[in-house]
Amino acid sequence: QVQLVESGGGVVQPGRSLRLSCAASGFTFSSIAMHWVRQAPGKGLEWVAIIWYDGTTKFYADSLKGRFTISRDNAKNTVYLQMNSLRVEDTAVYYCARVDAGDGYKPFDFWGQGTLVTVSS
Amino acid sequence: DIVMTQSPDSLAVSLGERATINCKSSQSVLYTSNNKNYLAWYQQKPGQPPKLLIFWASTRASGVPDRFGGSGSGTDFTLTISSLQAEDVAVYYCQQYYTTPYTFGQGTKLEIK
Repeated sequence: QVQLVESGGGVVQPGRSLRLSCAASGFTFSSIAMHWVRQAPGKGLEWVAIIWYDGTTKFYADSLKGRFTISRDNAKNTVYLQMNSLRVEDTAVYYCARVDAGDGYKPFDFWGQGTLVTVSS
Repeated sequence: DIVMTQSPDSLAVSLGERATINCKSSQSVLYTSNNKNYLAWYQQKPGQPPKLLIFWASTRASGVPDRFGGSGSGTDFTLTISSLQAEDVAVYYCQQYYTTPYTFGQGTKLEIK
């Protein structure tokens, strides 16, 4: 069965960096596009980034460009989110999610349980 | 960016009654070449990740009970729960996957009256 397991969250000071990982299993990872979505405490869902199946195409939320980088290692069935220059407002649960396609133009059919990132001094 | 606006923000419905949630997009999410609306609905219960309910505006995801239905086209969409059950208490989000950034509505909190 499909499994997505995020890791790497924690408490970090403003201005520092953090790298999240999402380990996938139960499907052919190298054929599937992957997303990161975040949810601030008590708030709604905010799409963060997508990476296509082969890693050649990436898109980001406009508000995050230049600070966050999505990448993947198809040999390790893992997608990453490198977060730099973190701000208090980046505090959120970060979810990885997949679409049943190599590109992004399908719904998010499976989600991980999420990892909490807290940015605080 | 396509702005997704849901109404109402919260809703209280009696058990067994119908619940209706609306979603409006700031531009059409209908792709005319395949006549598909790139619109999904998700359900999120407390402490859980979102779960896909409906995609292509009206197709139920695998395992979703048939009391959940989606309708609409272009810019106006509706999620209907025909007979509310206690386990349907959740926040519901619409989302467009027509173009990046893939935007969500603000969410509708559904409670039991």
